[in-house]
Amino acid sequence: DVKVTQSSRYLVKRTGEKVFLECVQDMDHENMFWYRQDPGLGLRLIYFSYDVKMKEKGDIPEGYSVSREKKERFSLILESASTNQTSMYLCASSFPEELGEQYFGPGTRLTVT
Amino acid sequence: GNSVTQMEGPVTLSEEAFLTINCTYTATGYPSLFWYVQYPGEGLQLLLKATKADDKGSNKGFEATYRKETTSFHLEKGSVQVSDSAVYFCALPPTGGYNKLIFGAGTRLAVHP
Repeated sequence: DVKVTQSSRYLVKRTGEKVFLECVQDMDHENMFWYRQDPGLGLRLIYFSYDVKMKEKGDIPEGYSVSREKKERFSLILESASTNQTSMYLCASSFPEELGEQYFGPGTRLTVT
Repeated sequence: GNSVTQMEGPVTLSEEAFLTINCTYTATGYPSLFWYVQYPGEGLQLLLKATKADDKGSNKGFEATYRKETTSFHLEKGSVQVSDSAVYFCALPPTGGYNKLIFGAGTRLAVHP
């Protein structure tokens, strides 16, 4: 079974803190994604990586950065957390040739107070 | 660019009722179309897909037909179960985007005994 794991299910941070969300996949997937999920807005892509050290901005990259030093690990960084970054964060991975078939982690619910 | 619109939820049904969740799309050409499902407390998982016009995707009793005349990809199930309670997302790739997906806002389905 494909496994995508995320470092925390729930996280509470204070405004201005630096926050790291980690994602690990065990399927040797080239592609990895970070989304945020908000009620009524669906999933919005924050960043996408198609190879180690390669990244591409998604639809809402402002306030976020990413790191992919190893193929299996993709980290999302909130440089200075703000309350409007309170959300559910979902990581996903896929092979580039399996168009549309993404495997998701269980999500991290982040609350910024 | 490509976009997708889903019916708003929640949809509340009794067990064994017929389900339809509407999804319409706007796209350049004929991209593949997808339905994903998110069960409570979990990440998304691919439910079914259709890769060309008039294709029917099916899985776990769910079906959706790719209709280019009406630009629709409605999700149907003949007899829902309590275990089908989840959020359902329609998705397609963005214009020129071969590895990414655009997700609809999601439709929550609640099935009661």
